[in-house]
Amino acid sequence: KAGVTQTPRYLIKTRGQQVTLSCSPISGHRSVSWYQQTPGQGLQFLFEYFSETQRNKGNFPGRFSGRQFSNSRSEMNVSTLELGDSALYLCASRPGRNSYNEQFFGPGTRLTVL
Amino acid sequence: GENVEQHPSTLSVQEGDSAVIKCTYSDSASNYFPWYKQELGKRPQLIIDIRSNVGEKKDQRIAVTLNKTAKHFSLHITETQPEDSAVYFCAAPGAGSYQLTFGKGTKLSVIP
Repeated sequence: KAGVTQTPRYLIKTRGQQVTLSCSPISGHRSVSWYQQTPGQGLQFLFEYFSETQRNKGNFPGRFSGRQFSNSRSEMNVSTLELGDSALYLCASRPGRNSYNEQFFGPGTRLTVL
Repeated sequence: GENVEQHPSTLSVQEGDSAVIKCTYSDSASNYFPWYKQELGKRPQLIIDIRSNVGEKKDQRIAVTLNKTAKHFSLHITETQPEDSAVYFCAAPGAGSYQLTFGKGTKLSVIP
């Protein structure tokens, strides 16, 4: 099976712009979670989508949003970018959400905000 | 929500020595504790996990121990090798949720 893929791999934006990141989960996986990774802060949970519905949300401002499509592919959007949004954004997929399954991570999208 | 604390943030060991990373969690109902390894420039990958019905689990040079009373769990790596150099993350699920909360990570450096 193909692994989790994310596009684009790198992005450079300026403050105030918006950005959309994409994640394609492993075939058959219906849960997609998004994380922000910054040095010293580890993996901070943004949100989880399952069956096209947001099921859990982390402690991030409303500028961070996402959605999931019927084929389980997911996108996240960040509006009005700030310098502090510079980070590696990882998505992870797993088969379902009501059990302890391994999360399979994508390679991440490196976002730089200038 | 769940609070996961991980120590130390950095750890250097000589090749062949053992390394221990500790995590504490806040939700006493948590019952699944995975560890992920992230090599430089790569994605995190699950290396071992433990469920609350056991106190220890081993997989070759890697072991995880769990103390539910004290609400902490640890990763033990024996006979460390240079390829063990990476950032290690512990995690625990939140109350009533299967969503994981991750620790802030431990950067392990194995010195040849």
